[in-house]
Amino acid sequence: QKEVEQNSGPLSVPEGAIASLNCTYSDRGSQSFFWYRQYSGKSPELIMSIYSNGDKEDGRFTAQLNKASQYVSLLIRDSQPSDSATYLCAVEDPYNQGGKLIFGQGTELSVKP
Amino acid sequence: SAVISQKPSRDICQRGTSLTIQCQVDSQVTMMFWYRQQPGQSLTLIATANQGSEATYESGFVIDKFPISRPNLTFSTLTVSNMSPEDSSIYLCSVTGLTKYEQYFGPGTRLTVT
Repeated sequence: QKEVEQNSGPLSVPEGAIASLNCTYSDRGSQSFFWYRQYSGKSPELIMSIYSNGDKEDGRFTAQLNKASQYVSLLIRDSQPSDSATYLCAVEDPYNQGGKLIFGQGTELSVKP
Repeated sequence: SAVISQKPSRDICQRGTSLTIQCQVDSQVTMMFWYRQQPGQSLTLIATANQGSEATYESGFVIDKFPISRPNLTFSTLTVSNMSPEDSSIYLCSVTGLTKYEQYFGPGTRLTVT
């Protein structure tokens, strides 16, 4: 069974700290990985995509991918209260030719001022 | 990324009735998907809306309950049929972007069934 697992949360960090969100996936054939941010009452927003091993940085966000360990993470530097949201990890289903993603259950992040 | 709209944004419906949700995109897209997000839960894929052919449903979802149409590359509808309180959820459409797996979501439809 294809699975994507995330820290159950909630994760609470002080303002200005680094927030670390983790995700593991079960299928070694997956090649595309995404992080979505979802504010309460809103729809998910794509914030990062990563396809190759290593780090990918975009502003205060860094996605890290380790395919050998089947692990993808999202680091948020200098966390702000506006980063408080649920973060969803999504992984390509490699056996589905129609572009299907498998979503984790999400990690709720709370950044305290 | 494409601009995606959904109608209605929310609705309260009675048990046994049906609701059709519309998803409109401002540009042609290859793939469109319909998801359900129950309170406090993650996203569950209902089906892939295929242009010009029948939708592809995920396990646990059937066409009689969730008929889907996709008449062109910018529009799709999802109908929730014979509703029960268990169908109370947020229904989201998504479309693919520049890559096959990169998905962007519409604002969602919040459905309450009484």
